[in-house]
Amino acid sequence: ETGVTQTPRHLVMGMTNKKSLKCEQHLGHNAMYWYKQSAKKPLELMFVYSLEERVENNSVPSRFSPECPNSSHLFLHLHTLQPEDSALYLCASSRTVGVETQYFGPGTRLLVL
Amino acid sequence: KNQVEQSPQSLIILEGKNCTLQCNYTVSPFSNLRWYKQDTGRGPVSLTIMTFSENTKSNGRYTATLDADTKQSSLHITASQLSDSASYICVVSVEDSNYQLIWGAGTKLIIKP
Repeated sequence: ETGVTQTPRHLVMGMTNKKSLKCEQHLGHNAMYWYKQSAKKPLELMFVYSLEERVENNSVPSRFSPECPNSSHLFLHLHTLQPEDSALYLCASSRTVGVETQYFGPGTRLLVL
Repeated sequence: KNQVEQSPQSLIILEGKNCTLQCNYTVSPFSNLRWYKQDTGRGPVSLTIMTFSENTKSNGRYTATLDADTKQSSLHITASQLSDSASYICVVSVEDSNYQLIWGAGTKLIIKP
């Protein structure tokens, strides 16, 4: 599990706040992903990066803004979120983009008040 | 519409007993199917991966089966242990898609002593 780390593990924010989630992978992978996991619902793919280039933006609201400065780091910038955005946000990486096995971080549990 | 349905939604069994989790999918074209284990407060971890030509694959006490004709998969857990308490998620990859994974909502398994 230490292959992919995420900080913070828990976050409570108001609807007017700006915060950022951080993900770091130590596996030498070239692809990174952001997922949203809500209770009793399938994982929802948000963004995909391959070699620091965004290759997928799955109709995610603009209040979520990803950033990938290098192949080891991925950020998710949050601003003016809504209560329905409360969820577990998971970061994952894989060797390349595709049907490779993805390795997940522990997630950030986000609560929007 | 590509979909993955899992059953049951939740399951409680006694330690030492066996259990079987089901996954039905309507994904086309099919590439492969994975089972992930997600402990509470952690990210998913890959257990098995099967391609079209594979009928069964084992990982310790976990055995996954795949029937590509009926589009069904099962995950059998033998001699359950308390540490098997987790959510088990079935994920199907779409062929010719670099990153399209169809996630099931998972089965929450609780092992009681």
